[in-house]
Amino acid sequence: DTEVTQTPKHLVMGMTNKKSLKCEQHMGHRAMYWYKQKAKKPPELMFVYSYEKLSINESVPSRFSPECPNSSLLNLHLHALQPEDSALYLCASSQEVGKQYFGPGTRLTVT
Amino acid sequence: AQSVTQLDSQVPVFEEAPVELRCNYSSSVSVYLFWYVQYPNQGLQLLLKYLSGSTLVKGINGFEAEFNKSQTSFHLRKPSVHISDTAEYFCAVRTAYSSNTGKLIFGQGTTLQVKP
Repeated sequence: DTEVTQTPKHLVMGMTNKKSLKCEQHMGHRAMYWYKQKAKKPPELMFVYSYEKLSINESVPSRFSPECPNSSLLNLHLHALQPEDSALYLCASSQEVGKQYFGPGTRLTVT
Repeated sequence: AQSVTQLDSQVPVFEEAPVELRCNYSSSVSVYLFWYVQYPNQGLQLLLKYLSGSTLVKGINGFEAEFNKSQTSFHLRKPSVHISDTAEYFCAVRTAYSSNTGKLIFGQGTTLQVKP
């Protein structure tokens, strides 16, 4: 199984809502990542978890809150988002150098 | 600090023609180099990577890339493209010898448009 799954595929939320994005992998990878990607732009790293501990936070606003409940799961909790937060949110995992496996992403629209 | 420049934002090419997507990087330390592909409405998929050794790297789907240290380049090539190669291509670098969670620095991407 070389797949990273993400749910939901699409999400529309208001600025006062609280929602969560989920990511799951069963490849035994110990590093997991959240990226934000705007249209026609490269992915921007948000967070990195290594062995279930947050190792990199790229100065992401606190309205985004990551969580790694176990080695297979990664969540991104969303609260009080702004319209400019609308984007494709990608999850990835890796074990060996550079080979990050990406999920299909969640397309988020904030209204 | 590292940076990646993809010299072409769009590359139109006819089916079965060869293609080269250009990538230059800047770094004061040794780097690893990668090419990723993103098909419409999908995540990124690794095409190939250079860590060390032979400077000519072969990847999936018939793509290859050559690492040129003196020109700080890592151009991607395919001798004959198919319609299905239409996608966004990203070049990326990261610091060599760092931990597995080292940060990838992406270029701005090149849209490959294969025409029939």
